[in-house]
Amino acid sequence: EVQLVESGGGLVQPGGSLRLSCAASGFTFSSYAMSWVRQAPGKGLEWVSAISGSGGSTYYADSVKGRFTISRDNSKNTLYLQMNSLRAEDTAVYYCVKVVVINNPIDAFDIWGQGTMVTVSS
Amino acid sequence: DIQMTQSPSSLSASVGDRVTITCRASQGISNSLAWYQQKPGKAPKLLLYAASRLESGVPSRFSGSGSGTDYTLTISSLQPEDFATYYCQHYYSTPPTFGQGTKVEIK
Repeated sequence: EVQLVESGGGLVQPGGSLRLSCAASGFTFSSYAMSWVRQAPGKGLEWVSAISGSGGSTYYADSVKGRFTISRDNSKNTLYLQMNSLRAEDTAVYYCVKVVVINNPIDAFDIWGQGTMVTVSS
Repeated sequence: DIQMTQSPSSLSASVGDRVTITCRASQGISNSLAWYQQKPGKAPKLLLYAASRLESGVPSRFSGSGSGTDYTLTISSLQPEDFATYYCQHYYSTPPTFGQGTKVEIK
């Protein structure tokens, strides 16, 4: 079964840091680009960041550029999102997502994790 | 960035109704469009991609069409399990962006 399981969310103060992880299983992880998509409470979906299958190319939304870093460890089938200088507006459920087509860095997302909640508040 | 505008923002419909949701892109996206269904407290689920390709396991009452800047999601006969929020998303360029969502409620 293809599965993505996020972890690492929680409550953090403004200006703080958090690292999210996403464990993948059931598919050849290194062949697929991966992304993070977030959803603020009661709001719509916002793409955050993407990384190619090899990890050699990364992409960021302007809202997180310079503060967030996406990475992956293909030997561990795990995706990461390092979040620094967190702001109240970063409060959201963060989803780890897999693209439909091999080697497409930006694509439709066919597999979603269950999400992990990040709350930025003092 | 390409803006995605969905309409309507919400609608009320009855079981068995035909429902149509529209998504307009601020520039042409060459059918690089996906539709998702999200139920409360759950992750979104991919319904269609490439504007009209049905994801495996998705019922055939869901269909997609369109070209250029204008795309449509149609539910041919609304079922009780279809009451949810629907989002379109383009993946023509970076950043991929989502529509604001259409909430389908029970009439």
